[in-house]
Amino acid sequence: GESVGLHLPTLSVQEGDNSIINCAYSNSASDYFIWYKQESGKGPQFIIDIRSNMDKRQGQRVTVLLNKTVKHLSLQIAATQPGDSAVYFCAEKGGSQGNLIFGKGTKLSVKP
Amino acid sequence: EAGVAQSPRYKIIEKRQSVAFWCNPISGHATLYWYQQILGQGPKLLIQFQNNGVVDDSQLPKDRFSAERLKGVDSTLKIQPAKLEDSAVYLCASSPRTSGRGTDTQYFGPGTRLTVL
Repeated sequence: GESVGLHLPTLSVQEGDNSIINCAYSNSASDYFIWYKQESGKGPQFIIDIRSNMDKRQGQRVTVLLNKTVKHLSLQIAATQPGDSAVYFCAEKGGSQGNLIFGKGTKLSVKP
Repeated sequence: EAGVAQSPRYKIIEKRQSVAFWCNPISGHATLYWYQQILGQGPKLLIQFQNNGVVDDSQLPKDRFSAERLKGVDSTLKIQPAKLEDSAVYLCASSPRTSGRGTDTQYFGPGTRLTVL
């Protein structure tokens, strides 16, 4: 069935280092992917998105890479800061109504 | 612009009681979503509205859950009667475009944390 999963449930990095959060998806028909950041007690916050006709998209300090061959998505955060500490979810748009399907999440902890 | 508003932020009830959550989406957003997020998991869609009509409620446990968006603006989600496994955060999200495939950035509210004892 359709599913979105994450390779690593937790990730701990040193402040200033780059972070890479990975995500695998199973629905090859999905055409749109989003990364969300969720801080404790808050709703998910949009970070960056990518369409299936692209393989890379850059934002401010973040880059999303899409590898459709292996159905893999990654989020790269440059110069990770303490404020980046949160749970990160990837989501694919591939449901019957084109709804978002979220993965389980990766918790990013930034050590000062 | 104001974000998605939800209330209450926290609710504690006993099993078999009923509870209702309210959501006011971003002004002008046509599509409204209710998600259930169990601790440690990603949000799971319960129901999607486009204006005042239901687009997708395939994952809504209709024997106990109901939702409405009568005037196509704010929405309520009700659980009656609640079960222990309903303990979760209930998130409301809205997006500006109509439903369907393609890009669709959803903006989330802070959620309502429900504890069923």
